[in-house]
This record gives sequence, C-alpha cells and structure tokens, in this order.
Amino acid sequence: RKEVEQDPGPFNVPEGATVAFNCTYSNSASQSFFWYRQDCRKEPKLLMSVYSSGNEDGRFTAQLNRASQYISLLIRDSKLSDSATYLCVVNSLLGSGNNRLAFGKGNQVVVIP
Amino acid sequence: NAGVTQTPKFQVLKTGQSMTLQCAQDMNHNSMYWYRQDPGMGLRLIYYSASEGTTDKGEVPNGYNVSRLNKREFSLRLESAAPSQTSVYFCASSFGQDYNEQFFGPGTRLTVL
Repeated sequence: RKEVEQDPGPFNVPEGATVAFNCTYSNSASQSFFWYRQDCRKEPKLLMSVYSSGNEDGRFTAQLNRASQYISLLIRDSKLSDSATYLCVVNSLLGSGNNRLAFGKGNQVVVIP
Repeated sequence: NAGVTQTPKFQVLKTGQSMTLQCAQDMNHNSMYWYRQDPGMGLRLIYYSASEGTTDKGEVPNGYNVSRLNKREFSLRLESAAPSQTSVYFCASSFGQDYNEQFFGPGTRLTVL
C-alpha cells in the first residue's frame, strides 16, 4: 500500500459548486497532516494544516479521520482561481529518527465557468 | 525576503555530464530538502539536511550527492547525468523537522538527453 494515496482526477467542478476529495495514508503513527496547493508548473505551497478537530479557512474545510486513516478537503463556492492540484501531505518517521513529509500525487481540480 | 531561491531554472544536459543545482534560503531555517517531481509519481525526497553540518539520504538518493555549504545554502550534484534523472527538482526549507511547514523554491527543470 502506498504511503499516501489520492485519486488524481481531474475533478471538473462548475463555478460556485462544492467539491470534496479524500486522501488515505498507511502509517498509523503519522502525526501531522497538510494540504498543499500546486499550480501548473509552479512550486507547492501550504494551503492548510489539518488538525484532529478539523479546521476551516474561508471556503476550505479539512477533516482528519484517524480511525480510518484518511484526510479530506472540501472547497465551497468554487472559484476559477481554485483550479490547481491539491497535494495531500503526511509526516512519517525515517529510520534515523528524523521526520519527513510524504506527498500524495495530488487531486487535480478544474473549475469550469 | 526572497524565500527559497534555486538556480538554474532550466538546464539541458547530455548523458554523462555533471552539474550542480544551487539552493539558498533567507528565512534562517534549520532544515533543507531536495525533491524531484515526475509525472504520475508525486514529490520524492532525494536528500535532506536536518541542520547545518548534517545530511541524510531520502527515498531516491542514488546518482546524487549533496552539500550543506552553510545554514543558507544546500546544493545538489549530479556526477554523471542519466536520462532517468530528467525531472523537476525542488528545494525546500523549514524551521525544523518536527511538523513544520516546508517552503519550496520555484524549481529547476532538468532534461538529460
């Protein structure tokens, strides 16, 4: 099983609609979870951290389900500018005791006028 | 603040040539990372430096070497480039390894013929 799995899509979303997608992770010891946004031919940028209690930032809501080992992202009232790839990111331990981030392949979102 | 800068932005090499990718950050971060991103593969960690003076292998270190020149700079060297190293290379940095946000540079697009 891959460390972080995402359905690549694309998710074609009408402008103004709501879109949601999940990401599953394999390491039950993972402690930190993030959603990054990556625009075409650009670098990834942090969208939001994901907390156990769930968190909201404007039109974006992230949830964590530790029992089922998945993270979700919901985008309400989609804007054209939301078109991007959303990367699910999970921390995991390296053998040396250091942490590293494991990246999913991303969910591609295309908002259609 | 420039954040994380990378040079060059684009590079074409012939098989067997060598080159060094440069990365610098001005955020006083302790940890720095090198990733490669290939279509359908997601971001994969090549090497990282948890703090100045230390470097460690990531998931895909073969064919690469790194140098943490000082706190600001972390370079990636390809000693004998191969077509399989054609990729987009991202450098990133963070305050520390414990669950901190990683900030990415704009990337280097490398083609090996």
